[in-house]
Amino acid sequence: AQTVTQSQPEMSVQEAETVTLSCTYDTSESDYYLFWYKQPPSRQMILVIRQEAYKQQNATENRFSVNFQKAAKSFSLKISDSQLGDAAMYFCAYRRVDSNYQLIWGAGTKLIIKP
Amino acid sequence: DTEVTQTPKHLVMGMTNKKSLKCEQHMGHRAMYWYKQKAKKPPELMFVYSYEKLSINESVPSRFSPECPNSSLLNLHLHALQPEDSALYLCASSQEAEPSNQPQHFGDGTRLSIL
Repeated sequence: AQTVTQSQPEMSVQEAETVTLSCTYDTSESDYYLFWYKQPPSRQMILVIRQEAYKQQNATENRFSVNFQKAAKSFSLKISDSQLGDAAMYFCAYRRVDSNYQLIWGAGTKLIIKP
Repeated sequence: DTEVTQTPKHLVMGMTNKKSLKCEQHMGHRAMYWYKQKAKKPPELMFVYSYEKLSINESVPSRFSPECPNSSLLNLHLHALQPEDSALYLCASSQEAEPSNQPQHFGDGTRLSIL
């Protein structure tokens, strides 16, 4: 069975600095999808970035980028130039290619931005 | 602004009440989902509808009854709930019912409190 581990329950960073959130996963599949979702206190679960395992190039979305290490089964999220609005719970999630439904979630990391 | 709209945003009900949660999307998505999320935990999948038919029921108690009247609407009917059912209920949708790389889009959720 697949599992997703986020080992940092809470992280804090000074505004404008860079922070990296870690995520590791366990799977025997060779192709799959990985996602980072953000959930601010407003509650909406927002997709931040996604990565397809067959793509070697790391995904980027503006200030958000990932370091995808397939052999190490690692999928960390880097947030550059942190802003107060980045404060949220961040969830890493895994999904098999043959399933549109079964998101396997990590436990989440609470990100605090210090002004 | 979210493209998946959930109403109401907050709901307080007694254990003998009957109420319904509503979810609406106009993105043409053919798969819709209900999740339950406890505080500081990742979402737990409850139901999946694919082309308006229930395709997955994750062993949810019968006091939760989903309904998909059309491709844009998803309801969750509640009856005789227990205090442990208090949680955030999230609705999500995705473009394809078949496996694809398309992510799920989430609503803001309904915060449910059972007295």
